[in-house]
Amino acid sequence: EVQLVASGGGLVRPGGSLRLSCTASGLDFSTYSMNWVRRAPGKGLEWVSSIIGDSAYRYYADSVQGRFTISRDNAKNSLYLEMNTLRAEDTAVYYCATWMATSGYFDYWGQGAQVTVSS
Amino acid sequence: QSVLTQPPSVSGAPGQRVTISCTGSTSNIGAGHSVHWYQLLPGTAPKLLIFGSSSRPSGVPDRFSGARSGTSASLAITGLQAEDEAEYYCQSYDISLSGVVFGGGTQLTVL
Repeated sequence: EVQLVASGGGLVRPGGSLRLSCTASGLDFSTYSMNWVRRAPGKGLEWVSSIIGDSAYRYYADSVQGRFTISRDNAKNSLYLEMNTLRAEDTAVYYCATWMATSGYFDYWGQGAQVTVSS
Repeated sequence: QSVLTQPPSVSGAPGQRVTISCTGSTSNIGAGHSVHWYQLLPGTAPKLLIFGSSSRPSGVPDRFSGARSGTSASLAITGLQAEDEAEYYCQSYDISLSGVVFGGGTQLTVL
């Protein structure tokens, strides 16, 4: 059974930083492109960032470009999201998800990590 | 404002059939890109319900079905059950934005 467990969420002040982690099991992690998708209060899902299996390519939504950094450690089956210069509008539940590249969908998701940016 | 448009809410009684629409444009659904559907239950991981517009992953009941036509897609749920009460999202790819796009989500209430 595939499991993705996200952690590292919390309350942070505007301008602060936070690092999310996602640990995977039950899959050949290094072969999967991984993503972060978020859901802000009262809003829909928003793709945030993705990274391919060997970390050669990383992609970001315009809303987080330059502030967030995605990375992975295949030896630890782990995905990370380093979030800097956080804004109130970054408040959301952040989900990690695997990407089925051939068909363009997210097939497995984690339970989410709550990030709240507030003074 | 989401690129894909979904009704904010739908409702139905147990046993009934409901449909959730997902309206896009010639840059996404109308360009031939597949539509995928996800179910979000409070406090749990989102779940893939439909992929490739009409295919179900293993384990998803056949009460759930998807269709795509023109610039729109739909998710149908038959034999509505209390456990179906959740938020549902459609997703596709947009060639103008060169990226994944989601609908705004639809809250299904089982009366």
